[in-house]
Amino acid sequence: AQKITQTQPGMFVQEKEAVTLDCTYDTSDQSYGLFWYKQPSSGEMIFLIYQGSYDEQNATEGRYSLNFQKARKSANLVISASQLGDSAMYFCAMREVNAGGTSYGKLTFGQGTILTVHP
Amino acid sequence: NAGVMQNPRHLVRRRGQEARLRCSPVKGHSHVYWYRQLPEEGLKFMVYLQKENIIDESGMPKERFSAEFPKEGPSILRIQQVVRGDSAAYFCASSPPFGDTQYFGPGTRLTVL
Repeated sequence: AQKITQTQPGMFVQEKEAVTLDCTYDTSDQSYGLFWYKQPSSGEMIFLIYQGSYDEQNATEGRYSLNFQKARKSANLVISASQLGDSAMYFCAMREVNAGGTSYGKLTFGQGTILTVHP
Repeated sequence: NAGVMQNPRHLVRRRGQEARLRCSPVKGHSHVYWYRQLPEEGLKFMVYLQKENIIDESGMPKERFSAEFPKEGPSILRIQQVVRGDSAAYFCASSPPFGDTQYFGPGTRLTVL
């Protein structure tokens, strides 16, 4: 069974600083995908970034980057130049990918980390 | 270019009533997923559907809950005889046939009185 662990219930960062949100995972699958989603106080789930298990390069999307360390089974999210609007709950999630490389289905989510950005 | 639509956004039901939650996926997406988020928790998978087929319902409670994704129209998550423990946010997500990413709707907040 897949498992996602986010050990930081809450994190604080000063505006314009960088912050790392931790995520470790456990799976016996060879192929899988890792995702980060942001959930602001309004409640919607916003997709941020995706990393495939066979991707050699760390994924980047604007101010978001994913520090993927396969041997350690970690997929930490790095947010550079934090903004007040980054204050939200952040979820790490994983999905297995079948041998053909196509999506299989369900996402397994971690418990989330609440990020607060101070001015 | 509409994203995933869910309605209603908020739903209040009394114990014993039925709740129907609707999800219209992104145009062109044929895969729909339902997740439930209890207060202060992460999202938990419920069911994965393709048009007219249930692919994986391993996260669905055995009783009172059902889901469908008909050939025409939105996907429906139906909860019969609701109880207070059903109070939660229910999210729908969709993905294209060979896509990696699931895009979420805004969620339906169900409150059972």
